[in-house]
Amino acid sequence: AQTVTQSQPEMSVQEAETVTLSCTYDTSESDYYLFWYKQPPSRQMILVIRQEAYKQQNATENRFSVNFQKAAKSFSLKISDSQLGDAAMYFCAYTPTYKYIFGTGTRLKVLA
Amino acid sequence: GAVVSQHPSRVICKSGTSVKIECRSLDFQATTMFWYRQFPKKSLMLMATSNEGSKATYEQGVEKDKFLINHASLTLSTLTVTSAHPEDSSFYICSASAGSSYNSPLHFGNGTRLTVT
Repeated sequence: AQTVTQSQPEMSVQEAETVTLSCTYDTSESDYYLFWYKQPPSRQMILVIRQEAYKQQNATENRFSVNFQKAAKSFSLKISDSQLGDAAMYFCAYTPTYKYIFGTGTRLKVLA
Repeated sequence: GAVVSQHPSRVICKSGTSVKIECRSLDFQATTMFWYRQFPKKSLMLMATSNEGSKATYEQGVEKDKFLINHASLTLSTLTVTSAHPEDSSFYICSASAGSSYNSPLHFGNGTRLTVT
């Protein structure tokens, strides 16, 4: 079965510091895509970053970067220079087709 | 950027009544839209895939007669919760892809909080 696991229900980080959210997935597919979505208190899902499985280079978007380890089926998100606005639920998502499979989420708290 | 509008954002209804939720892609055409349900402090659970001009594809365990989906145009999909009961109370989110391939990022509506009394 294809599953996505986020083992950290909650994380805290000091403002301006760096935090890493973990995500692992289980699949037998070789070609797929991975995403990180952010859900702030407004409940609006916002795309943070995406990674194509066939690309070895880790994706980066400004302060957000991923550490993609295909063999280990690991896809962690690193947030640098954390800001108060980064506080939200973060969901890791995997898709081999049109269906997205979401992890259970990690609630990130940013401490001033 | 691609915008998905969902309406209403909140609805309260009495048990036994039906509620319709609309999902619109405002600046792009969406052949396929997705409906999710999110329980408090839980992840998103895919309920069904809405296909323009054809029947929706429901996930296992989702009652298609309970959750009616209509995707009559390339910009509008509706979810109707029929004969709602308190256990149907939840947060419902629609999404659509602006791209033509399956790996195009999903764009989400703002969600609808349904409360059935």
